[in-house]
Amino acid sequence: GIQVEQSPPDLILQEGANSTLRCNFSDSVNNLQWFHQNPWGQLINLFYIPSGTKQNGRLSATTVATERYSLLYISSSQTTDSGVYFCAVADNQGGKLIFGQGTELSVKP
Amino acid sequence: GAVVSQHPSRVICKSGTSVKIECRSLDFQATTMFWYRQFPKQSLMLMATSNEGSKATYEQGVEKDKFLINHASLTLSTLTVTSAHPEDSSFYICSASYFGGEQFFGPGTRLTVL
Repeated sequence: GIQVEQSPPDLILQEGANSTLRCNFSDSVNNLQWFHQNPWGQLINLFYIPSGTKQNGRLSATTVATERYSLLYISSSQTTDSGVYFCAVADNQGGKLIFGQGTELSVKP
Repeated sequence: GAVVSQHPSRVICKSGTSVKIECRSLDFQATTMFWYRQFPKQSLMLMATSNEGSKATYEQGVEKDKFLINHASLTLSTLTVTSAHPEDSSFYICSASYFGGEQFFGPGTRLTVL
């Protein structure tokens, strides 16, 4: 099956800093999603981005499907950005998502 | 984005009892619902995929007789953990999609088996 690797596993930032999270996947995908898991466990949809570039406020994402990676950019980080960021991909077999191990982000005031 | 609810949000039960978790898509018709499990400090692991009106497809290593899944309508799927044991304690999360598109997740159910 598809393998998903996220880096870095942990990241500590000072408030206001920028960061880039990476997601590598081992095969072609039909779906790629980025999520933020808040402290209560809720997965918040950030981007549905099987290819191309999208922006939403301070967040943006780029997926280069031909090179099998996606990047999540966080600009001007805030303490509320803390939590775990997951990348998940789906192949063309039924749409099930395979999750990476996540990046745990901690933004310090 | 679309809204998916789960009930209950937290349940504590004695070993040997069965627990039912409901997952509802509130504002769209979910042709497919998924059930995941997450242990502390780990990622989400897919347990099963269910399509409305069909039997669920379970991932390798997931006991279908222990984790009963029903997807009787386009807005409701249920997961029943039968004869629960302490090792079944986990965070269970459902998601829903329309024809394999973007998935939207419920808030999760934290199960503790004593």
